Amino acid sequence: ETGVTQSPTHLIKTRGQQVTLRCSSQSGHNTVSWYQQALGQGPQFIFQYYREEENGRGNFPPRFSGLQFPNYSSELNVNALELNDSALYLCASRAGTVSGANVLTFGAGSRLTVL
Amino acid sequence: AQSVTQLGSHVSVSEGALVLLRCNYSSSVPPYLFWYVQYPNQGLQLLLKYTSAATLVKGINGFEAEFKKSETSFHLTKPSAHMSDAAEYFCAVTEGYSSASKIIFGSGTRLSIRP
Repeated sequence: ETGVTQSPTHLIKTRGQQVTLRCSSQSGHNTVSWYQQALGQGPQFIFQYYREEENGRGNFPPRFSGLQFPNYSSELNVNALELNDSALYLCASRAGTVSGANVLTFGAGSRLTVL
Repeated sequence: AQSVTQLGSHVSVSEGALVLLRCNYSSSVPPYLFWYVQYPNQGLQLLLKYTSAATLVKGINGFEAEFKKSETSFHLTKPSAHMSDAAEYFCAVTEGYSSASKIIFGSGTRLSIRP
């Protein structure tokens, strides 16, 4: 089975621009979560999607938005980029079954640098 | 809301010595707890999970953790450290199996191994 893949792996943007990050979830997983990991910190929960609906959100402003598609892949969009948006953005998927519902499978991340 | 606190942002041990990484949690309901490991420039990988079965949980690479409800702790241990154990370790908590459950991470502990 394929794991979680994210693209792009690295990107550089300037303040005020917009960015879209993409994630393909692991086969059989219907829930996707996005995390922001600043340098030297733990992953901070941004939001998660289940069957194309956002069903949980962390303490992030509305300029952070997302989508989930029928094949359970997902996008994270960030508008009006700020310098402190520079971070590693991690996508993680999990299964809808009870036995696997809480085990996240992570992608390698997209490293965003805002100048 | 659930949360985790990892005591010690950096732990250094000698090769062959005991590894002890500390995690305390806060949860309004019986929690599900996890330890993840992150190697440089990679995503997070599950080490082990506690899901209300046995309180002593064994994971990959010789790691184990013990759930202690009275102490609200879930410390990670390994009897003998190897150089390959050098990485960042994250404790995480969630309060259920549902699709809306959020998985919240601690700030991490960087483990260094001295030759």
